[in-house]
Amino acid sequence: KNEVEQSPQNLTAQEGEFITINCSYSVGISALHWLQQHPGGGIVSLFMLSSGKKKHGRLIATINIQEKHSSLHITASHPRDSAVYICAVRWAGNQFYFGTGTSLTVIP
Amino acid sequence: GAVVSQHPSRVICKSGTSVKIECRSLDFQATTMFWYRQFPKQSLMLMATSNEGSKATYEQGVEKDKFLINHASLTLSTLTVTSAHPEDSSFYICSAGQGSYEQYFGPGTRLTVT
Repeated sequence: KNEVEQSPQNLTAQEGEFITINCSYSVGISALHWLQQHPGGGIVSLFMLSSGKKKHGRLIATINIQEKHSSLHITASHPRDSAVYICAVRWAGNQFYFGTGTSLTVIP
Repeated sequence: GAVVSQHPSRVICKSGTSVKIECRSLDFQATTMFWYRQFPKQSLMLMATSNEGSKATYEQGVEKDKFLINHASLTLSTLTVTSAHPEDSSFYICSAGQGSYEQYFGPGTRLTVT
């Protein structure tokens, strides 16, 4: 059974804190995406990973293919980072399977 | 990065009517588009896979006669919710890509059926 698990489900942080969100999956994948969904619902694709590490501004995403695990890090968190972060993995056929999301709230 | 748009971003319709949602790839040709929906406080769920010029492939439990998908060109796919009911109220999202390459997500369409 293909599964995508995220942790934690909910996360509250003080502004400036370093944040880590984790994603684990059960079988080998061709790619993994980290998505950001704001309260209005719109989705922004943050990263696509198939190996290694990517960095964009204060966001860092890593993936360990052998351990079937990815992490999304936010450095110097800010209230505008408050959103739901979703891990999506792609197996054969190109369609995505989504984690349940991590709801992040950054308090000023 | 590549841009995918959806129109409308929000729509309210009456029960029994049909509503069409468009998904466009603005700066690339999308051979494959996917349609997802998300109910409140739930994860996104794949509804169907749409390949340009061929019939869509629907996931189990998704009624193909109710959710009509047309992918007539390499830049446009449409999802028509026919005879909409309040339980169809949801957030509908598309993603577009080129075969095995990266998929790009649209911003989503919030449908409310009254």
